[in-house]
Amino acid sequence: AQSVTQLDSQVPVFEEAPVELRCNYSSSVSVYLFWYVQYPNQGLQLLLKYLSGSTLVKGINGFEAEFNKSQTSFHLRKPSVHISDTAEYFCAVSDRNTDKLIFGTGTRLQVFP
Amino acid sequence: GAGVSQSPSNKVTEKGKDVELRCDPISGHTALYWYRQSLGQGLEFLIYFQGNSAPDKSGLPSDRFSAERTGGSVSTLTIQRTQQEDSAVYLCASSLVRVPETQYFGPGTRLLVL
Repeated sequence: AQSVTQLDSQVPVFEEAPVELRCNYSSSVSVYLFWYVQYPNQGLQLLLKYLSGSTLVKGINGFEAEFNKSQTSFHLRKPSVHISDTAEYFCAVSDRNTDKLIFGTGTRLQVFP
Repeated sequence: GAGVSQSPSNKVTEKGKDVELRCDPISGHTALYWYRQSLGQGLEFLIYFQGNSAPDKSGLPSDRFSAERTGGSVSTLTIQRTQQEDSAVYLCASSLVRVPETQYFGPGTRLLVL
């Protein structure tokens, strides 16, 4: 069965610094990969997704992620974070044979001034 | 347009009672999902409805949990004989069609079982 690992439960960072949130998944079969964000007191919303093609995916709010098949990773990056990026970030995977999203346990990004 | 709505937003119940949680998906969305979000556990898939197909119930944790979707729209998640470990935020999401179509999440129902 698919599984997703987000090794960092919390990532503190200062404003305008770069950030990388790590995500690894278990299977090497063809997958779809997603990053969702949950701002404080709001519902989850899609940040970006990888379906096929270019391994570098750009999302909303200046975030991007790179699909690395050999390392089964889909790390999320932003070159310069803002206070408003403070939120919980969830990585999710679905293989092409199911309609289920398997989510990681989330990474809380805390941006300090 | 209107997003996914869920009711109630908060529910406190006593151990052993039954609860019903409601989800109104975005109009026209054929796929509907229920997840459970527990502290430190991420989102756990519970059940998935797609059109008129039989639902995928593979994530339901026990036979105390059930869900239905009436008329291809509104869905109700029922938990019978609630236990304290059922305390969590229950999230509903809908999408136009199946994965990898984007899922749109509701605000959730926070359930506390005393």
